Amino acid sequence: AQSVTQPDIHITVSEGASLELRCNYSYGATPYLFWYVQSPGQGLQLLLKYFSGDTLVQGIKGFEAEFKRSQSSFNLRKPSVHWSDAAEYFCAVGQYSGGGADGLTFGKGTHLIIQP
Amino acid sequence: DTAVSQTPKYLVTQMGNDKSIKCEQNLGHDTMYWYKQDSKKFLKIMFSYNNKELIINETVPNRFSPKSPDKAHLNLHINSLELGDSAVYFCASSQVEGPGELFFGEGSRLTVL
Repeated sequence: AQSVTQPDIHITVSEGASLELRCNYSYGATPYLFWYVQSPGQGLQLLLKYFSGDTLVQGIKGFEAEFKRSQSSFNLRKPSVHWSDAAEYFCAVGQYSGGGADGLTFGKGTHLIIQP
Repeated sequence: DTAVSQTPKYLVTQMGNDKSIKCEQNLGHDTMYWYKQDSKKFLKIMFSYNNKELIINETVPNRFSPKSPDKAHLNLHINSLELGDSAVYFCASSQVEGPGELFFGEGSRLTVL
């Protein structure tokens, strides 16, 4: 069964500093990987996704993520965080089973705190 | 025009009551889901429907009964509510023909007293 591990429950970063959120997945085939962000009291918004091709993917709000098959990782990065980036971040893995509706498996999330 | 909308956004009720949450999507997607987010923010799939047909039914008490009258709607009815049912319930949709990117509603926060 597929699984996702986000090893950091909380991360605190100063405004303007760079950010990296870690994500490791377990999946037998080529995974489809996603990062979502959840602001307080809101639903989940897709930041970026990886299906195939270039292993460095760009997303919204200045985020990017790199797929590393050898490390089973899909870490999220941002060169300079803003106070508005404070939120919960979820990594997720999915599969395409050609007609199924399997949904996504989510990690437990990383809570990002931005210090002024 | 909200893509995936859920009602109500907040629900406070007593133990033992029955309640429903409604979800509608206007994205033309074939598949809809219910996810439960617990107090620690963990998201777990409960059900998925594809064109009104139940596809996934995770280990969820049978007090929870989803109903899909058409592929744009997926409702969740909960009988005999318990304290442990308190959570945020998210509706989501996706296209079947694809790797399953989900579009989420804003969530329905259920509090059972």
